[in-house]
Amino acid sequence: DIVMTQTPLSSPVTLGQPASISCRSSQSLVHSDGNTYLSWLQQRPGQPPRLLIYKISNRFSGVPDRFSGSGAGTDFTLKISRVEAEDVGVYYCMQATQFPLTFGGGTKVEIK
Amino acid sequence: EVQLVESGGGLVQPGGSLRLSCAASGFTFSSYEMNWVRQAPGKGLEWVSYIGSSGSAIYYADSVKGRFTISRDNAKNSLYLQMNSLRAEDTAVYYCARVGLGWLPHDYWGQGTLVTVSS
Repeated sequence: DIVMTQTPLSSPVTLGQPASISCRSSQSLVHSDGNTYLSWLQQRPGQPPRLLIYKISNRFSGVPDRFSGSGAGTDFTLKISRVEAEDVGVYYCMQATQFPLTFGGGTKVEIK
Repeated sequence: EVQLVESGGGLVQPGGSLRLSCAASGFTFSSYEMNWVRQAPGKGLEWVSYIGSSGSAIYYADSVKGRFTISRDNAKNSLYLQMNSLRAEDTAVYYCARVGLGWLPHDYWGQGTLVTVSS
């Protein structure tokens, strides 16, 4: 199974400041079709998860452009350019390159 | 508008069974692959099971293999998860989640249904 490791566990951020979350996979996420199926999800308190980014860097419909994804192979990053109050929650990376699909442990973003 | 509504959760004793349902609307259900994902209280996300659009391709997490069965009824726009031999560690909120076209897990999620396994 592919293990997804996220850092940090928690990220206290000042409103308007940037935030960055790292995700590392135990093996390359490049699929035989050439795509890299690495996604980022946001889970606000009391809500189901919501897709933010898919295939490393593609923003899903309706996701603000302050969210961006980057990376390749086994190392990936989610960046929030200017954190807003509505961004509070837990962020998960997820790989869908092979079964079983696996998630990172989550990073809690909170306001300082 | 895409909607996924889970039902069927509740309190069940260890060793018992439960059947979860997910009612889909707002899209052509028969064209989409689906997953079940769970989240234990205060914990992270865990993928449980996958089913292809026609129901012919199915995968399970090792933790539920042999105990859970995923199925779908495209005529009823519904996804199911039959859970047998339930254990305390199966206690979680269970979400159904759609796989977007072109392999895009998980573009839409339901609100989840809570399963509690306890005596």
